[in-house]
Amino acid sequence: GENVEQHPSTLSVQEGDSAVIKCTYSDSASNYFPWYKQELGKRPQLIIDIRSNVGEKKDQRIAVTLNKTAKHFSLHITETQPEDSAVYFCAAFSPNFGNEKLTFGTGTRLTIIP
Amino acid sequence: NAGVTQTPKFQVLKTGQSMTLQCAQDMNHEYMSWYRQDPGMGLRLIHYSVGAGITDQGEVPNGYNVSRSTTEDFPLRLLSAAPSQTSVYFCASSPTAGGLEQYFGPGTRLTVT
Repeated sequence: GENVEQHPSTLSVQEGDSAVIKCTYSDSASNYFPWYKQELGKRPQLIIDIRSNVGEKKDQRIAVTLNKTAKHFSLHITETQPEDSAVYFCAAFSPNFGNEKLTFGTGTRLTIIP
Repeated sequence: NAGVTQTPKFQVLKTGQSMTLQCAQDMNHEYMSWYRQDPGMGLRLIHYSVGAGITDQGEVPNGYNVSRSTTEDFPLRLLSAAPSQTSVYFCASSPTAGGLEQYFGPGTRLTVT
């Protein structure tokens, strides 16, 4: 089955700096890669996703890049703000017929230092 | 729309007790799923359903049962609670057949003593 590894597990950056979180996956058939943000005590919320037919996607201050050859994808947050502090999860979707599912990484706790 | 709702928010059980965690969605999503979240382990899939009457096992199904009699509801049953089932449980639903773009409920924090 799919295996998703996420690094780093914790990340602290100064407000205004950029943050990068990286994930690798094992199943070359995986074709959808979402990122979820989970604030303390809250539910995970989808913030951005990318499909395997594109290499980069941007939405204001956040962007995701995908390298299918190397089987890794990354979340980039620019001009970080205190409200970006949260746990971020990557995931990979395996479309194997009869066993389609999302596999999540173990999460990155991002702290923005004012 | 209320989205995905879960009850209860918190629950304490004794070892061996059984209970049902409720999940409902009002978005007419065919795909629903249950995850457990443990520190340092991310979200692990317990069971999922691609439509009413259809359920399947995820990564960690042991000790849990599900049913899907309607599109809206997807309850999770703990048959005989164990301390290892202490966790936060999230229900999610998706508008796509395979479970892309999942929307999560608020979670249930379960403690088994």
